Amino acid sequence: KAGVTQTPRYLIKTRGQQVTLSCSPISGHRSVSWYQQTPGQGLQFLFEYFSETQRNKGNFPGRFSGRQFSNSRSEMNVSTLELGDSALYLCASSFGGGATEAFFGQGTRLTVV
Amino acid sequence: GQNIDQPTEMTATEGAIVQINCTYQTSGFNGLFWYQQHAGEAPTFLSYNVLDGLEEKGRFSSFLSRSKGYSYLLLKELQMKDSASYLCARGVDTGGFKTIFGAGTRLFVKA
Repeated sequence: KAGVTQTPRYLIKTRGQQVTLSCSPISGHRSVSWYQQTPGQGLQFLFEYFSETQRNKGNFPGRFSGRQFSNSRSEMNVSTLELGDSALYLCASSFGGGATEAFFGQGTRLTVV
Repeated sequence: GQNIDQPTEMTATEGAIVQINCTYQTSGFNGLFWYQQHAGEAPTFLSYNVLDGLEEKGRFSSFLSRSKGYSYLLLKELQMKDSASYLCARGVDTGGFKTIFGAGTRLFVKA
C-alpha cells in the first residue's frame, strides 16, 4: 500500500509570508501528527489530528495551525514566517494514534529567507 | 530534548554490539519507542516497549525499566547500513496522547 505522502518536498519562502503543507496518510489511518525537525533539536511535536479533530497540541505559537479533512488528509499552515521556522516538517500517520506504530512521510524541507 | 536524554553520537565497529541508552521523564509515561532515521530520510519504527524487560527483534533489542525511566536499544552484528540516527521517544498520555522525541543518537559504524 502507498506510504505517507507529503507535498511539496522542498519550499523556499520569504519572511512574513505564509505557507501550507500537505500530508496524505496511509489509507485507513485516521491519526495524523505533525513534527518540526531541526539539527540538534530532534523532532518537536506540533499537533495531532484524529477524525478531523485536534486531539493534542505542542508548545508552538499560534502562527502554527492545522486541520484534517474527512478523508484524513491533513494540512498545516504557518503564518508570518520567521527565519527560525526553517526546518524539516514531518507528518506521521497511524491507525488509531496513541501508542501505536507511526509511519512517517519524507517531509517538507522549508527554508525561510 | 524535552526531558529525554540520549548520547549525541556513538561510534562502533562493523560486527560489534552497541548499546544506545535513553533516560526520560516518567510523568504521564505511556510507552517507549525507538525509531531509526537515515540521513535525508524519514524515521522508521523499530520497537515499542510498554512493560519492563527486553524485547528482541532480530539484530535489534530494546529494554525498558519504567521505575528508573530508562531504556536502551541494543544493536548486534553491526552492519555499515546501521549508520543512522536512533531516536528515543516516549508516549505521553495526559488527557491526550502524544509522542515526545529525544534529539537522537547519531551512530557511525566503521569498517
